[in-house]
Amino acid sequence: AQSVTQLDSQVPVFEEAPVELRCNYSSSVSVYLFWYVQYPNQGLQLLLKYLSGSTLVKGINGFEAEFNKSQTSFHLRKPSVHISDTAEYFCAVSDLRGTSYGKLTFGQGTILTVHP
Amino acid sequence: DGGITQSPKYLFRKEGQNVTLSCEQNLNHDAMYWYRQDPGQGLRLIYYSQIVNDFQKGDIAEGYSVSREKKESFPLTVTSAQKNPTAFYLCASSTDRGRPHRQPQHFGDGTRLSIL
Repeated sequence: AQSVTQLDSQVPVFEEAPVELRCNYSSSVSVYLFWYVQYPNQGLQLLLKYLSGSTLVKGINGFEAEFNKSQTSFHLRKPSVHISDTAEYFCAVSDLRGTSYGKLTFGQGTILTVHP
Repeated sequence: DGGITQSPKYLFRKEGQNVTLSCEQNLNHDAMYWYRQDPGQGLRLIYYSQIVNDFQKGDIAEGYSVSREKKESFPLTVTSAQKNPTAFYLCASSTDRGRPHRQPQHFGDGTRLSIL
């Protein structure tokens, strides 16, 4: 079975400071990885995805993530956050097994709060 | 604009009552998914469907039922057997062509279900 662990449930940060949201996963097979963002009372929007190739992936809104296979991590980073980045962020892993292909397993979420 | 429409945005259920949540997509996606979101637990998969007239149980299917009679529609019924239905429900879709596990899922804006 696959699992995803987001190591911080809440991350407070001041505006223009850098931020890292941590994600670790466990899987017995190769995986595809995704980060989503959710604003209050809305659905999820894709920030970025890792499928193959360069381990540093750039996404929308200035976010990037680095895939580390040896540490089974996919941490999300932004060098300078804005008030509008306040939201909940979800890390997810794609399931490649048998008839379950396309199914995503999500982490518990990290609430990022950016203070002025 | 293409997207996923969930209705209603808010729904109230009386004890012993079944309720149906609507999900419609005009993205021409093959696969559709229903998730349940509870605070601090991330998203958990209820049901998913890869093609019309076919669907599979997810991790928490008990007390729920679905149908997939049309490609663009994937309604979810929360039955009276679901003892703790209060949650935020999210519908998603993804293209299922080629390698579906590489495709990000697109989400609706959710339905918030509460018990009266």
